[in-house]
Amino acid sequence: GAVVSQHPSWVICKSGTSVKIECRSLDFQATTMFWYRQFPKQSLMLMATSNEGSKATYEQGVEKDKFLINHASLTLSTLTVTSAHPEDSSFYICSARPFFYEQYFGPGTRLTVT
Amino acid sequence: AQTVTQSQPEMSVQEAETVTLSCTYDTSESDYYLFWYKQPPSRQMILVIRQEAYKQQNATENRFSVNFQKAAKSFSLKISDSQLGDAAMYFCAYRSARESSGNTPLVFGKGTRLSVIA
Repeated sequence: GAVVSQHPSWVICKSGTSVKIECRSLDFQATTMFWYRQFPKQSLMLMATSNEGSKATYEQGVEKDKFLINHASLTLSTLTVTSAHPEDSSFYICSARPFFYEQYFGPGTRLTVT
Repeated sequence: AQTVTQSQPEMSVQEAETVTLSCTYDTSESDYYLFWYKQPPSRQMILVIRQEAYKQQNATENRFSVNFQKAAKSFSLKISDSQLGDAAMYFCAYRSARESSGNTPLVFGKGTRLSVIA
């Protein structure tokens, strides 16, 4: 089956620093990737949709200057949390779509900002 | 905008018994896809089952089956012979099937936490 990886799986950073999360589709090409944020015991909240080679489309309320998304190739998308603050601590999940309706999820990245 | 509602925040089932999780959705579209995803404690999202709206036959995957009622906009998940490994958060999701919607994201419900009692 299609596999999506995320790196790192857990990252701790200090307030004010930036952290990059990578999302890779390992055995398929993904023209579209999605980034979600999930708080404990809650549903997934869509942050942005990215297409290879073009700018990401951010959901309302998501700061695009804070959450930088780059979809540089058909197998790689990155999410950079800039000037991280403790309120950015969360679980971030990426998802990639190889086919029209199928969508596969990465294992998630736990971000803790101290 | 489409919405997905899961009215049961928590459910429990005895091992080997059957449980049904409810999901309703609201849309003005006629062509779409519906999904059930499972999120175990590892938090890895796993696709459980998929239903195309144009298909009248209910989808089944081993012990998992759905009851798709298009007119009622209802999409429930039945888990038969429940196993301890079924314990997880279950999310119902909707996606448009419009040709131009290649970028259309999944719309998720709030989830139902399923506990399996040994």
